[in-house]
Amino acid sequence: DIQMTQSPSSLSASVGDRVTITCRASQSINKYLNWYQQEPGKAPKLLIYAASSLQSGVPSRFSGSGSGTDFTLTISGLQAEDSATYYCQQSYITPRLSFGGGTKVEIK
Amino acid sequence: QVQLQESGPGLVKPSETLSLTCTVSGGSISRYYWSWIRQIPGKGLEWIGFIYYSGSTNYNPSLKSRVTISVDTSKNQFSLELSSVTAADTAVYYCSKVTSGYWQFDLWGRGTLVTVSS
Repeated sequence: DIQMTQSPSSLSASVGDRVTITCRASQSINKYLNWYQQEPGKAPKLLIYAASSLQSGVPSRFSGSGSGTDFTLTISGLQAEDSATYYCQQSYITPRLSFGGGTKVEIK
Repeated sequence: QVQLQESGPGLVKPSETLSLTCTVSGGSISRYYWSWIRQIPGKGLEWIGFIYYSGSTNYNPSLKSRVTISVDTSKNQFSLELSSVTAADTAVYYCSKVTSGYWQFDLWGRGTLVTVSS
């Protein structure tokens, strides 16, 4: 199975900061990497698909990059409403879709 | 716009079968893939499986022996059955629409908590 490792597991940042979350795959997954945001008590929401494509309706301060094994989600200009847990998800091997462990973003 | 809503018992006894239904409203279930994902409270996300509107399925190997996902296009619904449940199956269960390009879960239901307890 492909293991997805996110880092850090949590972070605290101020409004306006640039925040970067990393997701590493245990083997190459090309660009089959998606990112989700989950606010407390809510369902996850798709932010980025195919490593770097912004889902419709998602603010442009969210961006994704990477391919192969290393990926990043960047929030450029953190907003108070971005307080949430962020998950990466690999879809390289269809019968074995899997998520990273999550990164909790808190606002200072 | 398309919305998803999970429904089913919130409490299931150990060794019994968990059954949930997802109703798709505001659009047709046809021509898309649909999935079930669960989240143990306070933990991460686990993909359970998905189904195409035609009925073809794909399951997480770790759950495959206990999972059945089915679709009823006439009712615009798809369903999950998980057999022989234990306390470890206590989780929030989400239904989701899947886009097959990069298998991204692009629309989610609000989720329903299912507790396994006697």
